[in-house]
Amino acid sequence: ETGVTQSPTHLIKTRGQQVTLRCSSQSGHNTVSWYQQALGQGPQFIFQYYREEENGRGNFPPRFSGLQFPNYSSELNVNALELDDSALYLCASRDTSFPTDTQYFGPGTRLTVL
Amino acid sequence: AQSVTQPDIHITVSEGASLELRCNYSYGATPYLFWYVQSPGQGLQLLLKYFSGDTLVQGIKGFEAEFKRSQSSFNLRKPSVHWSDAAEYFCAVGPGNTGKLIFGQGTTLQVKP
Repeated sequence: ETGVTQSPTHLIKTRGQQVTLRCSSQSGHNTVSWYQQALGQGPQFIFQYYREEENGRGNFPPRFSGLQFPNYSSELNVNALELDDSALYLCASRDTSFPTDTQYFGPGTRLTVL
Repeated sequence: AQSVTQPDIHITVSEGASLELRCNYSYGATPYLFWYVQSPGQGLQLLLKYFSGDTLVQGIKGFEAEFKRSQSSFNLRKPSVHWSDAAEYFCAVGPGNTGKLIFGQGTTLQVKP
């Protein structure tokens, strides 16, 4: 049990639509990262938020955006969905307390774009 | 370019046999290295990590990994595999312990009874 939850578990959308995925992490985990994992591939870093500000971004277009809230929840928003956006989306929150300093992953949201 | 390569896409071992999963990385700075395991329907679970010091790192579930700078490798080992170890294993590298990880494509481990 990582204490990181994601909703919804599964989601089906059509091309061109917009989607919002949600993540809730443990109290005190002030860093959250989002990853995209295509079928049969390793996760790819989308972006990271630290204290509600974007703190690094991978090679993803601006239609991927995020928010982090003071209550340790966060969102990943994807506009103008494309077929290639079909993937498992993972969020990970980081416990920076010493000596733990570990990143915990949620179970993911499976997004299917038709 | 920064990258992680896991040469073996799929490995099958018999229960009780030893296991070694290979990982090679390309990284410009001192790498922080990780191994994660992913079971079906589950998120990623950290097995172990290496930052500095002793190049042989012990992790959870009886796993260990050895960092070899000269070979740019960080191979994962287990002396005796259990059926419950069947899963997907990912090697990752990052700029410090920042959470911004580059993952390999993964190795699927199948365990024969």
